[in-house]
Amino acid sequence: DGGITQSPKYLFRKEGQNVTLSCEQNLNHDAMYWYRQDPGQGLRLIYYSQIVNDFQKGDIAEGYSVSREKKESFPLTVTSAQKNPTAFYLCASSIIDRGSYEQYFGPGTRLTVT
Amino acid sequence: DQQVKQNSPSLSVQEGRISILNCDYTNSMFDYFLWYKKYPAEGPTFLISISSIKDKNEDGRFTVFLNKSAKHLSLHIVPSQPGDSAVYFCAAGSGNTGKLIFGQGTTLQVKP
Repeated sequence: DGGITQSPKYLFRKEGQNVTLSCEQNLNHDAMYWYRQDPGQGLRLIYYSQIVNDFQKGDIAEGYSVSREKKESFPLTVTSAQKNPTAFYLCASSIIDRGSYEQYFGPGTRLTVT
Repeated sequence: DQQVKQNSPSLSVQEGRISILNCDYTNSMFDYFLWYKKYPAEGPTFLISISSIKDKNEDGRFTVFLNKSAKHLSLHIVPSQPGDSAVYFCAAGSGNTGKLIFGQGTTLQVKP
C-alpha cells in the first residue's frame, strides 16, 4: 500500500537531548513537509523540501533541522535549541503541480520532552 | 500574521442537520483551497478542494463554497453524521511550491 509512515508514534526525551523523527513515503512524491500541531494553533510549517538535497525553512524552523538525501525520506531533528519541543509532529508529501496542492499526511509522532 | 483564519473553535450540530464550517483568508494570491478532517492523534485526511476559478465544488455530502470578493470559504456537510465529529482544517495555497497555509481548525461535534 502506498502511503506515509512516521515512527515512532510516541517519543519521550529528556530536555537537552536532540531527537530525530522519521518520515518515509512510497508515493513517489517530490515534495515533503514537516508540520507541528499545538492545541488551538492548527498546523504550522517547520521545513519543506521540493527536491532531493534541497529544503527550505517554513514559518517556525528555529531549533529544527532536516535532511533530504533520498526522495522517499525526510527526517526531522528536534534540537536542544527548540524551546518548546513537546508537540504533535506531522509529515506530509505531495506532487509539485500548480493547481494541485493536496498533501498526504502520515499518522504523526507525539514528542514529549521533560 | 494569520493568513487563514477559522474563527469558530467549535461547532455542535444534531445528527441529520447541516454543518457549516467557515474560513476566512487575507491573501488574494491564494489560488487553491482545501478542507482536511482530523481525528485525535492521527494525521489529517483530505476531504475536498476548490480552485479559485470556481465558486462551488460538491462531493457527496460535502460542498465547499468560495466567495472571492469576501475572501471567505465554507464547508457544508449535509446530512451530518456522528462519524463526522472531528477537527476540520481549511488550508490555502498559491504558486508552485505546494506550500499550504492552515487555519487553526474547528472542532465539529455531531450529536446522535
